[in-house]
Amino acid sequence: QKEVEQDPGPLSVPEGAIVSLNCTYSNSAFQYFMWYRQYSRKGPELLMYTYSSGNKEDGRFTAQVDKSSKYISLFIRDSQPSDSATYLCAMSVRGGAQKLVFGQGTRLTINP
Amino acid sequence: GAVVSQHPSRVICKSGTSVKIECRSLDFQATTMFWYRQFPKKSLMLMATSNEGSKATYEQGVEKDKFLINHASLTLSTLTVTSAHPEDSSFYICSPYGGNYGYTFGSGTRLTVV
Repeated sequence: QKEVEQDPGPLSVPEGAIVSLNCTYSNSAFQYFMWYRQYSRKGPELLMYTYSSGNKEDGRFTAQVDKSSKYISLFIRDSQPSDSATYLCAMSVRGGAQKLVFGQGTRLTINP
Repeated sequence: GAVVSQHPSRVICKSGTSVKIECRSLDFQATTMFWYRQFPKKSLMLMATSNEGSKATYEQGVEKDKFLINHASLTLSTLTVTSAHPEDSSFYICSPYGGNYGYTFGSGTRLTVV
């Protein structure tokens, strides 16, 4: 079993839809949770970062963490064609420069 | 914000030659550098972790003599692919960690070995 599981998709939705992306994990020592967006042939860019259970909102993006269920989500509201990319969840244990463990990535397409 | 410069963005080399990829953190000091490899439509695979002035720690299955990592300063790390083979063709991404920025990423280098 992989430490982090993420549905690779692909996921295709119409413009304006609410998108839900999810990851589950097995290592209860994970304390930091991140969502990255990666456009084709580019490096990942950080979208959201959180370390506690609950919701964190930033514009159209909401990150949700449920440590009791070992489940994290990213919601995108009012999705735009420019949101079309691969979304990667990543997590690490506490303490400085620890290794990031990535999910497989979900390919998302927003259709105009 | 954190500015990371990774060069070259794309390189084609012949089998048997060596290729060097540079990663610079332009406005912060990277105490730790992570190097990743990414295959098409796959996630990032950690190759090695290095701290400034120390030898890199390689992940299981990664040949340290083939993928030479140097982290000589807090703002520069290099990955050299030695005696490149076509199976080394991939997308390589550096990830400097440090300062208040935490994990940052370069824009990646697409290596094609012919």
